[in-house]
Amino acid sequence: SQQGEEDPQALSIQEGENATMNCSYKTSINNLQWYRQNSGRGLVHLILIRSNEREKHSGRLRVTLDTSKKSSSLLITASRAADTASYFCATDPYNQGGKLIFGQGTELSVKP
Amino acid sequence: DTAVSQTPKYLVTQMGNDKSIKCEQNLGHDTMYWYKQDSKKFLKIMFSYNNKELIINETVPNRFSPKSPDKAHLNLHINSLELGDSAVYFCASSQDGGQGRQPQHFGDGTRLSIL
Repeated sequence: SQQGEEDPQALSIQEGENATMNCSYKTSINNLQWYRQNSGRGLVHLILIRSNEREKHSGRLRVTLDTSKKSSSLLITASRAADTASYFCATDPYNQGGKLIFGQGTELSVKP
Repeated sequence: DTAVSQTPKYLVTQMGNDKSIKCEQNLGHDTMYWYKQDSKKFLKIMFSYNNKELIINETVPNRFSPKSPDKAHLNLHINSLELGDSAVYFCASSQDGGQGRQPQHFGDGTRLSIL
């Protein structure tokens, strides 16, 4: 089974609203990363949060990590049409030799 | 300047053919990866190389053979292409010895379609 699973699979909001995406995983991790993928492009790294961190911010992005619940969330505030993309979480599990495990992503659509 | 570049961007070919995809990174990173993304956007690691040495080799058919001539280049050769090989193949790089502790930088992918 997959290590990282995003929820919801798809999210549609209006410009200016906040978007929250969740990621759950099964085994202990060293860190968790969030990536964005625009249509037809490669993945772009957004934020890396280490297992001993609980929250990180980058511009309009806020990531939280709850290792007791094995879950993370990505919040995008004041969304813009340009935020329309797929968002993936990727975990670096213990004892996996640094192999990142990606979820299937949340498809975010921000309508102008 | 493109940090991680892959060629070709599109590859359409017949079943049974052999093809190669090339990847180059100009970030000075020590580790490079190949990923496969299927039609449902599920992204899975195939191989990774650290300083030209293979460090991750997932359960991939041996028709797939990576080659790293130097740490800035990682190519993927696929023999006897099958319908199930149709996917988007991404190259990525990082500066962490393949330990998963640093962000990975991705190319824009090679869309492989098998007829």
